[in-house]
Amino acid sequence: NAGVTQTPKFQVLKTGQSMTLQCAQDMNHNSMYWYRQDPGMGLRLIYYSASEGTTDKGEVPNGYNVSRLNKREFSLRLESAAPSQTSVYFCASTEDRGGNQPQHFGDGTRLSIL
Amino acid sequence: AQSVAQPEDQVNVAEGNPLTVKCTYSVSGNPYLFWYVQYPNRGLQFLLKYITGDNLVKGSYGFEAEFNKSQTSFHLKKPSALVSDSALYFCAVRDTDKLIFGTGTRLQVFP
Repeated sequence: NAGVTQTPKFQVLKTGQSMTLQCAQDMNHNSMYWYRQDPGMGLRLIYYSASEGTTDKGEVPNGYNVSRLNKREFSLRLESAAPSQTSVYFCASTEDRGGNQPQHFGDGTRLSIL
Repeated sequence: AQSVAQPEDQVNVAEGNPLTVKCTYSVSGNPYLFWYVQYPNRGLQFLLKYITGDNLVKGSYGFEAEFNKSQTSFHLKKPSALVSDSALYFCAVRDTDKLIFGTGTRLQVFP
């Protein structure tokens, strides 16, 4: 029972490089989310997909793009990485788009930008 | 806009003592509130939620939370703390089709 799987778990990039963070869920959930976690700032929503085929900006979307590839997969792309994007990134999913059901989280991708 | 505040960065409690982790909220309309816990190097795990109904909500691992509309609070409680409860705790509020999280409170339970 995998739940939400994120790859990679760790990554070090140089400023200006690009990369894609992968997320897949096996719970047939409709909604998926990308967050970043920084010390003292809690979790901040980057982008979300309330249902397959839709994506919306969250609180901190600048510098990121997303793709809802299908119902299972939701990827986050950094086109030109900056040191300010050093963070821990979490993907989450939930059954309903109304927000009443709990979100299920992956174990995160720890990203360092040098 | 919906928001939650966790006024304490850290809470320290001795094992066996009761614990409280505080959360206040600001919403338009009825609040939908959640508590999550995060252990080191892991993602967040759902503890409990308040949607409607009883003001005392029971959740996982012996935790409960008290919804207080007049004080706009949703404090997390446990009658007897365990060392294994040491973790980072997040309060969250629903905003349309997403959650808004607080900044987190680190709970340290000492033997």
